[in-house]
Amino acid sequence: DTGVSQNPRHKITKRGQNVTFRCDPISEHNRLYWYRQTLGQGPEFLTYFQNEAQLEKSRLLSDRFSAERPKGSFSTLEIQRTEQGDSAMYLCASSIELAGRSYNEQFFGPGTRLTVL
Amino acid sequence: AQSVTQLDSHVSVSEGTPVLLRCNYSSSYSPSLFWYVQHPNKGLQLLLKYTSAATLVKGINGFEAEFKKSETSFHLTKPSAHMSDAAEYFCVVSDLRENAGNMLTFGGGTRLMVKP
Repeated sequence: DTGVSQNPRHKITKRGQNVTFRCDPISEHNRLYWYRQTLGQGPEFLTYFQNEAQLEKSRLLSDRFSAERPKGSFSTLEIQRTEQGDSAMYLCASSIELAGRSYNEQFFGPGTRLTVL
Repeated sequence: AQSVTQLDSHVSVSEGTPVLLRCNYSSSYSPSLFWYVQHPNKGLQLLLKYTSAATLVKGINGFEAEFKKSETSFHLTKPSAHMSDAAEYFCVVSDLRENAGNMLTFGGGTRLMVKP
């Protein structure tokens, strides 16, 4: 399977614990995006990377949220001191950015469902 | 700034009848518009996209959408619903400015139910 993969698919944690999610993009894709989807809502943008550079992070929900893409391949999203309001589906997407293209389709992974007790 | 409004949170049709899912957008720039579908326990899949070429866009599985700038709409249609079309559908606008990173803004979603 050459699509976007995310691990784990499900995570249950207690309030106050830290959690980390991993995203493996399609191999030749240089852009990687994180979104959050709460129940009954559309996904909302959190942050994105071009290669290893994090080019937009102002939409991260609080300073408890951080993301990395250290080698420009896989990425991790960490939530520190989780709260019940963090319960949601966390989606990763990747795309390839080519000069001169007017758009680039984002391919989504299946998501990681987080439940904070 | 950009935003998307999906006018119906739920739509129910009978198998074999037409589908219409409504979407209005707001964008300060010439937008790119998309429809994505989300089946339970599966990732979001792109149905179709508009990028300032033809205003009538054809997508996968018989879906199409028409971009109407004067109405700021991008409604999704299909002539004949199939049971497998039952899913959540999202209308999406993209900011293609160089410093915006192709960030996607999603509507709230429309759940399509197909009755036998």
